[in-house]
Amino acid sequence: KAGVTQTPRYLIKTRGQQVTLSCSPISGHRSVSWYQQTPGQGLQFLFEYFSETQRNKGNFPGRFSGRQFSNSRSEMNVSTLELGDSALYLCASSGGTSSDTQYFGPGTRLTVL
Amino acid sequence: AQSVTQLDSQVPVFEEAPVELRCNYSSSVSVYLFWYVQYPNQGLQLLLKYLSGSTLVKGINGFEAEFNKSQTSFHLRKPSVHISDTAEYFCAVSDRSGGGADGLTFGKGTHLIIQP
Repeated sequence: KAGVTQTPRYLIKTRGQQVTLSCSPISGHRSVSWYQQTPGQGLQFLFEYFSETQRNKGNFPGRFSGRQFSNSRSEMNVSTLELGDSALYLCASSGGTSSDTQYFGPGTRLTVL
Repeated sequence: AQSVTQLDSQVPVFEEAPVELRCNYSSSVSVYLFWYVQYPNQGLQLLLKYLSGSTLVKGINGFEAEFNKSQTSFHLRKPSVHISDTAEYFCAVSDRSGGGADGLTFGKGTHLIIQP
């Protein structure tokens, strides 16, 4: 079974721009979660989607948003980028017989200049 | 709400020596426990998990961990490490009743450094 895939792997943007990241979960998984990883704050939960509905959201400003499509693929959007948004963004999926366990993709490295 | 404390930010160990990476957690609800490993420029790979049952769980690459409810700990161990084990290790918890919606709460990570 293919793992979680994320595109693009690397992105460079400038302050004020917006960015969209994509995540394809493991086949059959209906839950997708997003995390931000930075050296200072570590790994932080952004939000979780299940069957196209956001079920939970972490403590991030409204500039961070997401959505999930009917095929369980998910996108994350960050508007009005700030320097502090530079991070590794990780997507994880769960579901089927592994609903209690999250499996992570390789991440998207976002650099904001 | 939960919190996870990984007591050591760095652990240097000689090759073929045993290692223990410590993890303590705090939670007002029952939790699932996980250890993930992250190699440079990669995502997180699941090493092992405790959901229920035996408190000693075995994972990939020869790692094991023991859940201790009274001490709220979930320490990771390996009897003999290899150079290839050099990586960042993360302990994480999730709310049992959340159905996965609450996300994982991670510790700050422990950098395992294997010395030849």
